[in-house]
Amino acid sequence: EDQVTQSPEALRLQEGESSSLNCSYTVSGLRGLFWYRQDPGKGPEFLFTLYSAGEEKEKERLKATLTKKESFLHITAPKPEDSATYLCAVQYGGYNKLIFGAGTRLAVHP
Amino acid sequence: GAGVSQTPSNKVTEKGKYVELRCDPISGHTALYWYRQSLGQGPEFLIYFQGTGAADDSGLPNDRFFAVRPEGSVSTLKIQRTERGDSAVYLCASSFGTPTDTQYFGPGTRLTVL
Repeated sequence: EDQVTQSPEALRLQEGESSSLNCSYTVSGLRGLFWYRQDPGKGPEFLFTLYSAGEEKEKERLKATLTKKESFLHITAPKPEDSATYLCAVQYGGYNKLIFGAGTRLAVHP
Repeated sequence: GAGVSQTPSNKVTEKGKYVELRCDPISGHTALYWYRQSLGQGPEFLIYFQGTGAADDSGLPNDRFFAVRPEGSVSTLKIQRTERGDSAVYLCASSFGTPTDTQYFGPGTRLTVL
């Protein structure tokens, strides 16, 4: 069963066109939800950690929010350099491992 | 400071051969993780070390895969009798080892089994 599901699989935006990426999870005992950015041929780069429902974090044009069953990554007025794959991962129960979604491939065109 | 480093960056081998992949974590990080990422997918957990011991190896797909971390720093992932299905990017991450702390990833090793 899928524990972390990201949507959409791919998203194409025009520069300045704001949008949101979704990450839904089904695990019990969530300890943390993590957002990473991954550029082609590179390892994931850490963006945010959210720990409890209602929490929000911001960094430049990105804002991450968390509810009891999903997280959103809002991208405001994106630029071409925001093009990347955005990965969501959860840590739950007594485990230290991360369970990742398949990612959303974002392309921002000028 | 220096991030997680992995060597080699690319490895091409033939089916049936043995390979070793190396990970050098961030200095001071006691926890080290190995993940595997196939094209178009998110990373998949393989094994987690706390210090020198494997605290969770539930993600290793079979007994051809083995990992060590003898001095609690550098780790080596070893794959015996490689198969074409082992082709993937192998990612290493490290952290301070406290609950919910951030895992920082290296650039990965791209393994291709011909």
